[in-house]
Amino acid sequence: AQTVTQSQPEMSVQEAETVTLSCTYDTSESDYYLFWYKQPPSRQMILVIRQEAYKQQNATENRFSVNFQKAAKSFSLKISDSQLGDAAMYFCAYRSPFQGGSEKLVFGKGTKLTVNP
Amino acid sequence: DAGVTQSPTHLIKTRGQQVTLRCSPKSGHDTVSWYQQALGQGPQFIFQYYEEEERQRGNFPDRFSGHQFPNYSSELNVNALLLGDSALYLCASILSTGSMNSPLHFGNGTRLTVT
Repeated sequence: AQTVTQSQPEMSVQEAETVTLSCTYDTSESDYYLFWYKQPPSRQMILVIRQEAYKQQNATENRFSVNFQKAAKSFSLKISDSQLGDAAMYFCAYRSPFQGGSEKLVFGKGTKLTVNP
Repeated sequence: DAGVTQSPTHLIKTRGQQVTLRCSPKSGHDTVSWYQQALGQGPQFIFQYYEEEERQRGNFPDRFSGHQFPNYSSELNVNALLLGDSALYLCASILSTGSMNSPLHFGNGTRLTVT
């Protein structure tokens, strides 16, 4: 079974600075999908960024980028120019390739990000 | 474009009671999944419904059951509630024929408290 580990329960960053959240995972599959979700106090999970394992190029979405190291099974999230609205819980998630139509996600325990003005 | 909607927002039940949570998927989506998120934890997969059938199930007891209706909406039922069932229950939807990297869309969840 796949597992996802987020080793940083809490992180803080100054507004406008850069922060990196760590995520490692364990799998025997060669093809899979990785996601970072953000959960603000409103509780809704919001997709931040996604990465397909077969793509070597790291995904980027505006101020958010990932460092995907497949051999090391590492998938860190970098937030540049941090904003107060970035404060939230961040969850790393793993999804197996399409097998029988399952879209099950395996989540890490999350990292609480605080942005200081 | 209506997103995933869940009801109720909050619920308080007594140990031993039964509860039903409801979810309407995002417009155009046909697959619904349920997740349990205990305080301070990441969401845990309960089960997924497609074409009104349970397609995959996580490591949850039979006290947890569900249903999907022809309009793709879904219910999560929990019988014989335990204190440990207190959690945020998240519903997520997706289109089964969508792109492989399509993300799940989540609702705001139902906060269940068992006393």
